[in-house]
Amino acid sequence: DAKTTQPTSMDCAEGRAANLPCNHSTISGNEYVYWYRQIHSQGPQYIIHGLKNNETNEMASLIITEDRKSSTLILPHATLRDTAVYYCIVRLPSNTGKLIFGQGTTLQVKP
Amino acid sequence: GAVVSQHPSRVICKSGTSVKIECRSLDFQATTMFWYRQFPKQSLMLMATSNEGSKATYEQGVEKDKFLINHASLTLSTLTVTSAHPEDSSFYICSAGSAAQETQYFGPGTRLLVL
Repeated sequence: DAKTTQPTSMDCAEGRAANLPCNHSTISGNEYVYWYRQIHSQGPQYIIHGLKNNETNEMASLIITEDRKSSTLILPHATLRDTAVYYCIVRLPSNTGKLIFGQGTTLQVKP
Repeated sequence: GAVVSQHPSRVICKSGTSVKIECRSLDFQATTMFWYRQFPKQSLMLMATSNEGSKATYEQGVEKDKFLINHASLTLSTLTVTSAHPEDSSFYICSAGSAAQETQYFGPGTRLLVL
């Protein structure tokens, strides 16, 4: 699976959009970009995933660049409950394949 | 999304005893379950992959005789920490997946403290 690079930490004001970047320059053609988050002392939570088209669901939007070497997770209106560690993972779309977590981005939403 | 539960949510045990942690997929059949360990301020580290009805596959550096994994049914996997020591104190998390789900789903985690 391709390696990803994320900023260690970010701050965001409550009510504003949180834009979390992820670099995955070695991504291969059939690998997807997945995003999970982990709120303190809980198990990770699936957010969204995509291959090359932008995706949106009730939690977030995922913007993937045309060359697929980077992506951005957007939380449109961040709340204090969105404070968490966000993980960007690149992998094949097999739900029986293992997930390898990097260090992620710690997002602190401030009032 | 699908629901995965873990039991117990936290456990305290004495050094040298064994502890069993259960992971259940409540509303789908999980052909594969995964066990992770997470130390404070660190990321999740995959310990092993468990397929229903077969032996688990352990990641490098994880002792299979110490961390016994059983995946006897499509909805239940267990992790037994044998002869636990204080350095085994950690947050243990399972996840479950199947071809029918769009992603893997994670349990809430079990916090183990070995005294």
